[in-house]
Amino acid sequence: AQKVTQAQTEISVVEKEDVTLDCVYETRDTTYYLFWYKQPPSGELVFLIRRNSFDEQNEISGRYSWNFQKSTSSFNFTITASQVVDSAVYFCALRDATNKLIFGTGTLLAVQP
Amino acid sequence: NAGVTQTPKFRVLKTGQSMTLLCAQDMNHEYMYWYRQDPGMGLRLIHYSVGEGTTAKGEVPDGYNVSRLKKQNFLLGLESAAPSQTSVYFCASSYPGQSSYEQYFGPGTRLTVT
Repeated sequence: AQKVTQAQTEISVVEKEDVTLDCVYETRDTTYYLFWYKQPPSGELVFLIRRNSFDEQNEISGRYSWNFQKSTSSFNFTITASQVVDSAVYFCALRDATNKLIFGTGTLLAVQP
Repeated sequence: NAGVTQTPKFRVLKTGQSMTLLCAQDMNHEYMYWYRQDPGMGLRLIHYSVGEGTTAKGEVPDGYNVSRLKKQNFLLGLESAAPSQTSVYFCASSYPGQSSYEQYFGPGTRLTVT
């Protein structure tokens, strides 16, 4: 069965702290894709990154970085020097061979000034 | 480009009433999806379509019907609304058959059934 687990329901940090959001997935497919989406308080879903199962290179985009490890079935997301504007719900998702997205339950990140 | 748009943005229904949610995209995407978002449960797939004239059931299809008469539009219908269908509904679209492509989401429709 395909499954995405985001064990952290809520995280609260103070501005400028680093924070890591965890994502663990389960799949039997050998080819799959992983995604992160951001949902700010305004409610829309914003695409952040995708990663395919054959590319385990870490990626950095500004203050954001992602660590993909197939050995532990994890795709963790780190925000460096967090800012108030990073406050949002963050979703990890798995896209399987049938092209459907399976979402985790999300992590609510609150960055306090 | 407007991307993915949803109509209406908010709606309040009484139990037993019917309504249709409209999703439109101007990106020429083949695939379209309807999700519902409930607190603590993430997004769950209701129905999806891989092309004009085709639809398929997702994870939570009961109580909903869909139609894809035109490539750019994907309609979600509730024939007899129930309080359990109170939720935020998101439509999404993506390029055809390429699972690497991300889904583009609409702004959502907040539906309350009393």
